[in-house]
Amino acid sequence: AQTIHQWPVAEIKAVGSPLSLGCTIKGKSSPNLYWYWQATGGTLQQLFYSITVGQVESVVQLNLSASRPKDDQFILSTEKLLLSHSGFYLCAWSPANSQNTLYFGAGTRLSVL
Amino acid sequence: AQSVTQPDARVTVSEGASLQLRCKYSYSATPYLFWYVQYPRQGLQLLLKYYSGDPVVQGVNSFEAEFSKSNSSFHLQKASVHWSDSAVYFCALSGDNTNTGKLTFGDGTVLTVKP
Repeated sequence: AQTIHQWPVAEIKAVGSPLSLGCTIKGKSSPNLYWYWQATGGTLQQLFYSITVGQVESVVQLNLSASRPKDDQFILSTEKLLLSHSGFYLCAWSPANSQNTLYFGAGTRLSVL
Repeated sequence: AQSVTQPDARVTVSEGASLQLRCKYSYSATPYLFWYVQYPRQGLQLLLKYYSGDPVVQGVNSFEAEFSKSNSSFHLQKASVHWSDSAVYFCALSGDNTNTGKLTFGDGTVLTVKP
């Protein structure tokens, strides 16, 4: 069975500080990987997607970046956090031949103060 | 352009009652449609999905949804709710199969089940 693990569970960070969030998928080779963001009390918005190692496509510009250093790992980061980065970050995966059926992780809650 | 509208921000029902959560979509062709549930402080769990064929699809925990092309709707239903069904429910749409994983979500419906 496939499992998706996100870390950390929660973060409290200062404005201007760096951030790194991680996601690992086990039990599935060459998955498509995605980062979604949910503003507090809001809906979900896709940030990035990756079809293969080393390749990441940006969907919206939020002063964030993403990388896929390994087949099963997806990293979201920024060098300088903004207040507007607060929210809930969700990593998701789908099979390479999926019809866009996404399976989400438990998420990371980020508070920027 | 594609969009998803969940007209009811909050729904409250009594335990044992039937439930319908509404979802309307806008898309020029037949979309791929999904319902996800989010329990407090957790990620999203897939309840069910529709691609084609029988317009009534069955999901987990006795949820089902009915696709209507004429009404551009994909309403979620359950015959008898339990207090543990209290959560936020999201309807989502995917308009293509290009592996971009781009889902357009509605704003969600907060379901409260009273004991």
